Amino acid sequence: QVQLQQSGPELVRPGASVKMSCKASGYTFTSYWMHWVKQRPGQGLEWIGMIDPSNSETRLNQKFKDKATLNVDKSSNTAYMQLSSLTSEDSAVYYCARSWDYGRYFDYWGQGTTLTVSS
Amino acid sequence: DIQMTQSPASLSASVGETVTITCRASENIYSYLAWYQQKQGKSPQLLVYNAKTLAEGVPSRFSGSGSGTQFSLKINSLQPEDFGSYYCQHHYGTPLTFGAGTKLELK
Repeated sequence: QVQLQQSGPELVRPGASVKMSCKASGYTFTSYWMHWVKQRPGQGLEWIGMIDPSNSETRLNQKFKDKATLNVDKSSNTAYMQLSSLTSEDSAVYYCARSWDYGRYFDYWGQGTTLTVSS
Repeated sequence: DIQMTQSPASLSASVGETVTITCRASENIYSYLAWYQQKQGKSPQLLVYNAKTLAEGVPSRFSGSGSGTQFSLKINSLQPEDFGSYYCQHHYGTPLTFGAGTKLELK
């Protein structure tokens, strides 16, 4: 069965960076785009960007172009997102989710990684 | 960017009732519209894509309709497990954007 297993909660200091992971299983990793979505406490969903694991082509929401870096490790079927220069505004739950190329809707989601930015 | 305007923001209903949530796109997105359900503390789950196609395993009491800029999600005969938050999302180009959500609560 398809699973997206995300890394555990993170507590980091303002100004630092963090890298979180999303390990895929149960399907061909390179056949689906991987997306990252942000959800602040009590708020809605915000798309950060997506990466094609087959060639690492990346498309970012311009709002996150200086914040997020996406990459993948095909050998371990894992997608990563690094967030830099963290502030309290980055405190949120971050989800990975997959889509296929012909329909950019998300049929499977990870369980989310909670990021807390605090001194 | 395409703006998605969802209404109502919140909705109270009883088990057995029928409810409708609407979503309006700021420009024509044809039928590239998805709906998700999210329960407290959980990941969103896909309900509908391409405006009216039910995702695998979604009960038939859910239905999606619309095209262009106006869309709706209808839930017939509400069940206890249907309470939570609902989001629309366009999937017509990038950036992908979501509606602000509708919180469906038990009356």
